[in-house]
Amino acid sequence: GENVEQHPSTLSVQEGDSAVIKCTYSDSASNYFPWYKQELGKRPQLIIDIRSNVGEKKDQRIAVTLNKTAKHFSLHITETQPEDSAVYFCAGRDSSYKLIFGSGTRLLVRP
Amino acid sequence: DTEVTQTPKHLVMGMTNKKSLKCEQHMGHRAMYWYKQKAKKPPELMFVYSYEKLSINESVPSRFSPECPNSSLLNLHLHALQPEDSALYLCASTPRADSGANVLTFGAGSRLTVL
Repeated sequence: GENVEQHPSTLSVQEGDSAVIKCTYSDSASNYFPWYKQELGKRPQLIIDIRSNVGEKKDQRIAVTLNKTAKHFSLHITETQPEDSAVYFCAGRDSSYKLIFGSGTRLLVRP
Repeated sequence: DTEVTQTPKHLVMGMTNKKSLKCEQHMGHRAMYWYKQKAKKPPELMFVYSYEKLSINESVPSRFSPECPNSSLLNLHLHALQPEDSALYLCASTPRADSGANVLTFGAGSRLTVL
């Protein structure tokens, strides 16, 4: 089955700087990679996703890149703001259609 | 309606109690999921229902018993739980279970405390 590894586990950046979170996956048949943001005490919410037929996707300050050969994908947040502070989870959907989550990255944006 | 609704938001129960968590969606989704999330951990899949039939059980102890009365409702019956079962229980849904194009939509969760 799929195994998704995520790093770093914690990330602290100054407001306005960029943040990058990286994930690797094991199942070469995986074809869908979402990113979820979870604020304290709230549900995980989808912020961006990418399918295996594209290499990059952007939505305003957020972008995701996918390298299928190396089996890794990354979340890039530019011009970070304090409200970006949260836990971010990457995930991969394996060949049995189960969504497997990474271990999470706690992002702190310092004002 | 683009939401998954869960009740109750909070539940405290003793180890001998029987209680249920409820989940409802009106998006016409035909796959529904239960996840368990411990503090500072990712969500862990427990069960998947596809077209009202249990399609995945991730070796969950029998003290957790899922039920899908119809395509809009998903219950999780709880009996003889242990303190280590205290967690946030998240319900989710997708249009289908057998497609790679599905976006998982989570409910707000039910925070369970077992005394």
